[in-house]
Amino acid sequence: AQSVTQPDIHITVSEGASLELRCNYSYGATPYLFWYVQSPGQGLQLLLKYFSGDTLVQGIKGFEAEFKRSQSSFNLRKPSVHWSDAAEYFCAVAAGLTGGGNKLTFGTGTQLKVEL
Amino acid sequence: DSGVTQTPKHLITATGQRVTLRCSPRSGDLSVYWYQQSLDQGLQFLIQYYNGEERAKGNILERFSAQQFPDLHSELNLSSLELGDSALYFCASSIDTDTQYFGPGTRLTVL
Repeated sequence: AQSVTQPDIHITVSEGASLELRCNYSYGATPYLFWYVQSPGQGLQLLLKYFSGDTLVQGIKGFEAEFKRSQSSFNLRKPSVHWSDAAEYFCAVAAGLTGGGNKLTFGTGTQLKVEL
Repeated sequence: DSGVTQTPKHLITATGQRVTLRCSPRSGDLSVYWYQQSLDQGLQFLIQYYNGEERAKGNILERFSAQQFPDLHSELNLSSLELGDSALYFCASSIDTDTQYFGPGTRLTVL
């Protein structure tokens, strides 16, 4: 069965510093990978996705992620963090199911705090 | 704004009661998914509907049921509610089995 691990529960960075959030996945086939962000009291907003092709994908709000098959990783990066980036970040893998169904399996999330 | 709408935003009810959560997918999306987010379980997939038919089932309790109507909106029915059902319930939609776009969620509190 597929799984996603986000090893960092909390991360604190200073505004303007670079950021890397780690994500490792386990999935038998070629994975479809996603990063979502959840601000307090809000829904999940899609930051970026990887389906195939270029392993470095660009997303919204200046985020990017790199797919590394050899390491089963899909880490999220941002060169310079803004205070408004403080939120919870979720990595997810899409799994096809019997009968053509589909579901996302999420990691436990990383809470990002930005110090001014 | 993802284009997925959910009502109500908040719901407070008592144990043993029944509630209905509603979701309208993005225009053109045929698939609707329901997820539960709780502190102890995280984000869990409940069920998927595609063009009115159930397509996939996850960790959905027997007390919970869902349906998708001809206009493609979906409802999640939760019955015989327990304290542990308190959670944030998200609906997501996609064109087929593609990228899922999430609504703002319904926060359910069972007292």
